[in-house]
Amino acid sequence: DAGITQSPRYKITETGRQVTLMCHQTWSHSYMFWYRQDLGHGLRLIYYSAAADITDKGEVPDGYVVSRSKTENFPLTLESATRSQTSVYFCASGPLTGRTDTQYFGPGTRLTVL
Amino acid sequence: AQTVTQSQPEMSVQEAETVTLSCTYDTSESDYYLFWYKQPPSRQMILVIRQEAYKQQNATENRFSVNFQKAAKSFSLKISDSQLGDAAMYFCAYRTPAGGATNKLIFGTGTLLAVQP
Repeated sequence: DAGITQSPRYKITETGRQVTLMCHQTWSHSYMFWYRQDLGHGLRLIYYSAAADITDKGEVPDGYVVSRSKTENFPLTLESATRSQTSVYFCASGPLTGRTDTQYFGPGTRLTVL
Repeated sequence: AQTVTQSQPEMSVQEAETVTLSCTYDTSESDYYLFWYKQPPSRQMILVIRQEAYKQQNATENRFSVNFQKAAKSFSLKISDSQLGDAAMYFCAYRTPAGGATNKLIFGTGTLLAVQP
């Protein structure tokens, strides 16, 4: 299916475990992003990538790791999950240039860290 | 640093009536984009409307329109003829034009809109 998908949609894990959230897009967009959504904060950028093998930190990167070996995939890893990382995580993608750029969001992953 | 502020955590409107959601932002840039996203209970982020700062004309998409006041750094969303399906969280967002190091979105904290039948 065309578009942007995230997996899993729901995840429950325990403190200290490693968790990887997957994101896949079929548009060949250059840019990909990871945001987290928390009540009272809106969405905040964790990491972004301008192209394969190019990633950079966003506003709240601590405790997260990303990689982008292929244009279409942008996994987010929580190396040692903490309760403060309980959140809804959104992946987004967008084209590189153009004044009419729009970011397209995946359906989100609800992560609970016990 | 750019910031986006939505001062109305919750709003309510009667079906078929009009409601306006407020958004202000702070930036030193002269060229940027502003967006309103809708997030229904399904959690999906849906782009409602987009405004380019260099355009003086306010954007309109069917029942949705904006009042863009660049000097005041204000970007409100007007929903006309409100429908039950408009009930959602609405986020205002800001972005600088592509070509820089990033085209990340900066979001406000959201306004939860309830539509009363």
